[in-house]
Amino acid sequence: GENVEQHPSTLSVQEGDSAVIKCTYSDSASNYFPWYKQELGKGPQLIIDIRSNVGEKKDQRIAVTLNKTAKHFSLHITETQPEDSAVYFCAASRGNTPLVFGKGTRLSVIA
Amino acid sequence: DAGVIQSPRHEVTEMGQEVTLRCKPISGHNSLFWYRQTMMRGLELLIYFNNNVPIDDSGMPEDRFSAKMPNASFSTLKIQPSEPRDSAVYFCASTLGGQVGAFFGQGTRLTVV
Repeated sequence: GENVEQHPSTLSVQEGDSAVIKCTYSDSASNYFPWYKQELGKGPQLIIDIRSNVGEKKDQRIAVTLNKTAKHFSLHITETQPEDSAVYFCAASRGNTPLVFGKGTRLSVIA
Repeated sequence: DAGVIQSPRHEVTEMGQEVTLRCKPISGHNSLFWYRQTMMRGLELLIYFNNNVPIDDSGMPEDRFSAKMPNASFSTLKIQPSEPRDSAVYFCASTLGGQVGAFFGQGTRLTVV
């Protein structure tokens, strides 16, 4: 089955700097890669996703890149703000199968 | 849309007691998932349903765990008897299926003492 590795487990950045979180997956048939943000006491919230026919997708300060050959994908947050502080999860699936999640990255944005 | 609704938000129970967690998926969604979140193991899929039918329950840790989806708007996850190692946050999520990201509820924090 699918296995998703996520790095780093914790990340601290200064406000205004960029943050990058990286994930690798094992199932070459996976074709859907969402990213979730989880704030304290809340459920994970979908923030951006990418499908296998696209190499990059951007939504304001958030971008995701996908390298299918290397089987890795990354989340990029630019101009970080304190409200970006949360735990971020990557996930992968074949589209018609449940998501398999990485272990999460705790991002702290220091004002 | 109110999103995925879970109840209760918090549950504290004694070891050996039965616990029932409830979930109302987003209207129109046809897939429902139960996840368990712990510090050690992260987000683990327990079971999922398509069109109210259980598809894969291989993630259910033991026979003490059971889940039902009697109709498109309601699902339950039951633990009987509960044990301290069941303490975790349990999430329900729903989706339209296909390549659409799942929407999560707020979770139920279960503490078994």
